[in-house]
Amino acid sequence: GAVVSQHPSRVICKSGTSVKIECRSLDFQATTMFWYRQFPKKSLMLMATSNEGSKATYEQGVEKDKFLINHASLTLSTLTVTSAHPEDSSFYICSARSQASYEQYFGPGTRLTVT
Amino acid sequence: GQNIDQPTEMTATEGAIVQINCTYQTSGFNGLFWYQQHAGEAPTFLSYNVLDGLEEKGRFSSFLSRSKGYSYLLLKELQMKDSASYLCAVKEPNDYKLSFGAGTTVTVRA
Repeated sequence: GAVVSQHPSRVICKSGTSVKIECRSLDFQATTMFWYRQFPKKSLMLMATSNEGSKATYEQGVEKDKFLINHASLTLSTLTVTSAHPEDSSFYICSARSQASYEQYFGPGTRLTVT
Repeated sequence: GQNIDQPTEMTATEGAIVQINCTYQTSGFNGLFWYQQHAGEAPTFLSYNVLDGLEEKGRFSSFLSRSKGYSYLLLKELQMKDSASYLCAVKEPNDYKLSFGAGTTVTVRA
């Protein structure tokens, strides 16, 4: 149980385009989902927290107009990187938790490369 | 703010024991997690400590001292597959956000 999927696993896009990443909880209802980014050999940096049906809460320094987060249902959250630039290239990981759990379950991550 | 420190790298021999320390200075505390992450993959849950003391789970054990702001992860009978990054993360008290340390890369050698 407690499986979280992400799609796509890898994406390459051109500078200036937008990319959408999906995060799904497959066998539980995710009250809260979190989006992280991770640079090579670095730790996870929390970007934002999203609760179903409400606006995401962004961490300091994260541009909410650039990283659009939607949590429209209890099993799906999406992160859209708008007008992507090469410096947005990173590993993006989502996690999800149910109302009954203190634990976050992580998705497999999405490797974004902007050329 | 959150300040979570752990060593960058550790190397050990197959079959040996390795202890990864984590110290934290955070604005709040409501539990500490240890995760394992293989390169290019998502972190997987290893342990969660909210009270002081040692939690043992097979070859892995985790210890917490809240008064000292200190935790360690103990890996026994090391196997090659244990080569990975180990992340220490502190949970904030009023929500479920996690603050991660930079991770410790453990290399197990034959």
